[in-house]
Parts: sequence; structure tokens; C-alpha cells
Amino acid sequence: AQTIHQWPVAEIKAVGSPLSLGCTIKGKSSPNLYWYWQATGGTLQQLFYSITVGQVESVVQLNLSASRPKDDQFILSTEKLLLSHSGFYLCAWSLEYEQYFGPGTRLTVL
Amino acid sequence: GDQVEQSPSALSLHEGTGSALRCNFTTTMRAVQWFQQNSRGSLINLFYLASGTKENGRLKSTFNSKESYSTLHIRDAQLEDSGTYFCAADPSNTNKVVFGTGTRLQVLP
Repeated sequence: AQTIHQWPVAEIKAVGSPLSLGCTIKGKSSPNLYWYWQATGGTLQQLFYSITVGQVESVVQLNLSASRPKDDQFILSTEKLLLSHSGFYLCAWSLEYEQYFGPGTRLTVL
Repeated sequence: GDQVEQSPSALSLHEGTGSALRCNFTTTMRAVQWFQQNSRGSLINLFYLASGTKENGRLKSTFNSKESYSTLHIRDAQLEDSGTYFCAADPSNTNKVVFGTGTRLQVLP
């Protein structure tokens, strides 16, 4: 069975500090991968998607970047956090179009 | 511009009653998904539809691609149905997904 894991579960970071969030999918070969951001009380906004290793498409950047170093791994990062980066980050996978989400990482920027 | 309009934004139901949520699309969508987001933030897959109607227990969903809308019907609501419901759709010929603004459902005893 496929599993999706996100790390860390939660982070509290200072403005201007770097950030790296991770996502791994086990049990599926060559999935499409996605990053989403959700402000508190808001909807989900797609940030990036990747169809294959080494390839990432940006939908909305928000001063973030993403990379896919391995088939089963998707990384979201920034060198300098902003207050506006606070929120809930969700990773998702799909084989075609139906998406399945990970448990999310809650980020607080102070 | 906004491609998915979801309504209502909030809904209160007493246990045992039912209602419908709706998403209208302003562009042609390939498919629609419905999710329930629980209090921990986890997104639970409810339905995926490329067309037509699907039913699962007390839930039923329809996607009418020609008229650009989708509905989610909840009947015999239970306390555990409380949460925020989102529709999400992907415009044809893209890998982008657009979420509705969500419906916050509260089921009351």
C-alpha cells in the first residue's frame, strides 16, 4: 500500500531563516507530486508540481522553490522566510489526476 | 480569475438531516474531486469524478461538465461529518488544480 510522509510535522521559525520541508511517497513508482499551501482558515493553493525526477513546474512561487531529487521525494524550501509563509503545507501525489494528500506540515513564522 | 465558486461558505445541520454543497466552474474542467478536511488538517478523499454521479454511503456527488458544476449531497448527517469540505478541479489540458473556497460544516446534536 502506498504511504505519504511529510516532515517535519510542525515548525516554528524566525523571519529571515531558511526552511526545508520534505515529502516522500512509498509504494508508487513515478508519481506526479504536488505542493500546496493553506493559510489558516483558507483554501488550498497549488504551489508546484512535478511529473518526473529533476523537473518542477511553478504555479505560484510565493518566494519558495521546490525540487525533486529522487522519484519518491519532493522538497520545498526557501533561504529567507517571510511572515506570509506561515500556514499549512501539504504534499500530494497522483498517478493520473486523482490526488492523495499527506498529513501536512504546520509552519509558524515569527 | 477565480475558476471555482463554492457555496455555501458555512452550513449547520442537525443530526439526521441533509443538505447539498455546490461548486460552479468558470472554465472547462477535466474532473472534480471532493475532500473533507478534519480538525487535524488531514484531507480525506470523498469522490473523484470525470463525469456523472457517484454514491458512497450517505454521500452522493455529481459532476456536470457541460453545465460546469458539481454537487455534494450529504444525507442523515452525523457528528463526525463536521469539518470543512472542499471541491477541487483541474482545468482541461493543464496539470494545475484549483480548489474551491470551502464549506465549513457543523453537525449539531
